[in-house]
Amino acid sequence: SQKIEQNSEALNIQEGKTATLTCNYTNYSPAYLQWYRQDPGRGPVFLLLIRENEKEKRKERLKVTFDTTLKQSLFHITASQPADSATYLCALEDGGSNYKLTFGKGTLLTVNP
Amino acid sequence: DAGVTQSPTHLIKTRGQHVTLRCSPISGHKSVSWYQQVLGQGPQFIFQYYEKEERGRGNFPDRFSARQFPNYSSELNVNALLLGDSALYLCASSPRTHEQYFGPGTRLTVT
Repeated sequence: SQKIEQNSEALNIQEGKTATLTCNYTNYSPAYLQWYRQDPGRGPVFLLLIRENEKEKRKERLKVTFDTTLKQSLFHITASQPADSATYLCALEDGGSNYKLTFGKGTLLTVNP
Repeated sequence: DAGVTQSPTHLIKTRGQHVTLRCSPISGHKSVSWYQQVLGQGPQFIFQYYEKEERGRGNFPDRFSARQFPNYSSELNVNALLLGDSALYLCASSPRTHEQYFGPGTRLTVT
């Protein structure tokens, strides 16, 4: 069966460190992989999209990698700040799914001052 | 520019009742998707509409239906509500790219 797993439900790190979140999937052939941020009681906010033929994407302090052989994406936040505390969601778009996203459960990141 | 708007923000209904949720996409976005998010889970895809046509349907019963209007706004209807339908219902719009822009959601509680 198809599965998307985000490495842990919660991750606590110290301010200034790099946060690394993991997304693993099975029985998918994603054409695109996306990362979203969600704050309590709010809708998800789009952060980054990476295509199946791309290895890495960066945006300011954010970096995403995509390894279709390992079936894994890593999401990094460098120089983390307390304001980065939120739930981060990984979402896959299967090839030909016409923009339907399948989400993981998310990882709650807490950055301690 | 205004983001995706949804109404109402909160709703309490009784089992067996019907509910209609509304969504206005970002101006210029022709695609609208609906997701259900229960506590502790990621959003789960319900429907996608593009140019008023249904493009995709998730694994939800026929009690769930939706439509998109000529101005690209959308409604999600749920009939014969069950306790398990209690969730945050999210609407997302998209331009002709793959990222989706979510609204704040409607929190539905079924008692």
